Amino acid sequence: KNQVEQSPQSLIILEGKNCTLQCNYTVSPFSNLRWYKQDTGRGPVSLTIMTFSENTKSNGRYTATLDADTKQSSLHITASQLSDSASYICVVRDEGGGNKLTFGTGTQLKVEL
Amino acid sequence: DAGVIQSPRHEVTEMGQEVTLRCKPISGHNSLFWYRQTMMRGLELLIYFNNNVPIDDSGMPEDRFSAKMPNASFSTLKIQPSEPRDSAVYFCASMTPQGRTEAFFGQGTRLTVV
Repeated sequence: KNQVEQSPQSLIILEGKNCTLQCNYTVSPFSNLRWYKQDTGRGPVSLTIMTFSENTKSNGRYTATLDADTKQSSLHITASQLSDSASYICVVRDEGGGNKLTFGTGTQLKVEL
Repeated sequence: DAGVIQSPRHEVTEMGQEVTLRCKPISGHNSLFWYRQTMMRGLELLIYFNNNVPIDDSGMPEDRFSAKMPNASFSTLKIQPSEPRDSAVYFCASMTPQGRTEAFFGQGTRLTVV
């Protein structure tokens, strides 16, 4: 069964600090992996996409990595801001099931002063 | 484009009543998904459609739930009869089928069954 696991479940950091969120998946055959950001009361919005051949990708203060061999991805946030407080969800798409996406349960990040 | 549009944004209903959630996908997107989100279980796929045809409804919890997509621009998720454990935020998302596709989510419908 396809699964996506994320850690930690929740995280509190001080403004300006860095943090790293983890995602492990067992989805096969793998197509791509996206990190979504979900603000409270809103739908998830894509931050970045990783395909099989991509190891690192940056989007501003967000940097995602992918190790397709170990089936792990990370999302690193540098110089955190209060607006980074949100749920970060790892989503993996498989090739075999059409457009089926498997979601992780997310990491709830809170950035404090 | 206005994005994926869901209605209503909030719904409070009594147990046993019928609830209908509505979704308008982004024009040109031919895949549509219904998800349910709770604190305990995160985002769960209920059902998804390709070209208006249901492809995978294995996530639909039970016969009380049904979904339709009569045309490319409209879908409904119906719960009849509703129960308190159905309380959650229901999201609709749409995307195109090929390549590095991104699922675009609506704002969600917060359902409370009392």
